[in-house]
Amino acid sequence: EAQVTQNPRYLITVTGKKLTVTCSQNMNHEYMSWYRQDPGLGLRQIYYSMNVEVTDKGDVPEGYKVSRKEKRNFPLILESPSPNQTSLYFCASSSAPTVYNEQFFGPGTRLTVL
Amino acid sequence: AQSVAQPEDQVNVAEGNPLTVKCTYSVSGNPYLFWYVQYPNRGLQFLLKYITGDNLVKGSYGFEAEFNKSQTSFHLKKPSALVSDSALYFCAVRPISGSARQLTFGSGTQLTVLP
Repeated sequence: EAQVTQNPRYLITVTGKKLTVTCSQNMNHEYMSWYRQDPGLGLRQIYYSMNVEVTDKGDVPEGYKVSRKEKRNFPLILESPSPNQTSLYFCASSSAPTVYNEQFFGPGTRLTVL
Repeated sequence: AQSVAQPEDQVNVAEGNPLTVKCTYSVSGNPYLFWYVQYPNRGLQFLLKYITGDNLVKGSYGFEAEFNKSQTSFHLKKPSALVSDSALYFCAVRPISGSARQLTFGSGTQLTVLP
C-alpha cells in the first residue's frame, strides 16, 4: 500500500530534550515536506526537500532541522524543543513535477512540549 | 506573497442538502488550486485540483469545485451532503510560475453534516 508513515504518532517531552520524528514514504517520491498545523493557522511549511541531499527552509524553519540522506526518509529534528513547538506535525511527499501534483500526507504526530 | 482565505471556520448543513465550502485566493499570475480533506486523527487527503482547462473540476467522493478567475475563488461543492462528509477542509494555492515549495494553505473550514 502506498503510504507515508510517521513515528511516533504522539509524543510528550520536556523543554530542551532533543527529539526526532521520523517520516518514510514508499512511493519513490522526489519531493518531501514537513508542516505544522495549529488552530486557525492552517498548515505552515517547516522544511522541504526536492531530492536526496537537497533541503530548504519553508515558512517557519526556526528551531527545526531536517536531513535527506535517503530518498524514502525525511526526519524532523528538534534539537532543543520549546513549548511553542507544541503542535500537530505532518510529513508529506509528492512526485515530480511537484508544482501541480498533489501531496500525500502522513497520519500526523502530535507533539507536546512541557 | 500569495494567500488563501476560507472565510467560514464552520459550515453546518443538513444531510441531503447541497453544501458549499468557500475559498478565495490571492496569487501573482495564474494559480494551481487544490482541495484537501482531513478526517479526525488522520492526515490530509487530496480531493481535487485545478490546473488548467474546464473551470469545473470533479474530484473524489462526489465533490466538485469551480474555478472563477474574475472572483479569484475556488469554492468546493457537493449536490447532496452525507454525514460522512463531516471533516475539516483545506484549500491551497500555488502560482503556476512559482517553485514547488510555494504551496499556501487556508486556515481550514470545519464541515458538519447533520443527520
